[in-house]
Amino acid sequence: GAVVSQHPSRVICKSGTSVKIECRSLDFQATTMFWYRQFPKKSLMLMATSNEGSKATYEQGVEKDKFLINHASLTLSTLTVTSAHPEDSSFYICSAYEDSNQPQHFGDGTRLSIL
Amino acid sequence: QKEVEQNSGPLSVPEGAIASLNCTYSDRGSQSFFWYRQYSGKSPELIMFIYSNGDKEDGRFTAQLNKASQYVSLLIRDSQPSDSATYLCAVRRGSGTYKYIFGTGTRLKVLA
Repeated sequence: GAVVSQHPSRVICKSGTSVKIECRSLDFQATTMFWYRQFPKKSLMLMATSNEGSKATYEQGVEKDKFLINHASLTLSTLTVTSAHPEDSSFYICSAYEDSNQPQHFGDGTRLSIL
Repeated sequence: QKEVEQNSGPLSVPEGAIASLNCTYSDRGSQSFFWYRQYSGKSPELIMFIYSNGDKEDGRFTAQLNKASQYVSLLIRDSQPSDSATYLCAVRRGSGTYKYIFGTGTRLKVLA
């Protein structure tokens, strides 16, 4: 089955630090990947759709300059939280599908804690 | 009105019973429907997906879709304590690059 790997699984860092999260499709090529954010006991909130070779499409209210997305290859998308602050602390999850007719599969998520 | 609505629960069922989880959606253009299970602190994992009206069975799980009523459900037969989790309903819509809209999830507790 489709496997999506996400790294790191947990990050704890000081306010003002930039944090990069990687999302890889291990056994398939993903032209599209998705980045979600989830607060405790809340549902998944789509932040952006990452498209290989082109700019990401951000959802309304998500700051492009704050959450930088790069999808440089068919197997890798990265999310960089720039100058992170405590309010950016959350569970970030990526997902991908093999093709648009297949369901998306999720990475294991990254728990980000900004002190 | 939320695009995808679920009762947050918790829904408590005894071990061995059938758990019934429900989801309604507002966009009639929605094409595909997914159920994900999410354990606390973990990312969602796919349980089932359904595209056509009717029932789709996979082991102990049955997904039911009624597009006219804009309703999708998940039945879990012979519920086990290990089924205790939050179940997320997701709806896919759009064309080309699809967008997934998630409900807030229903917390299921299976009592031993």
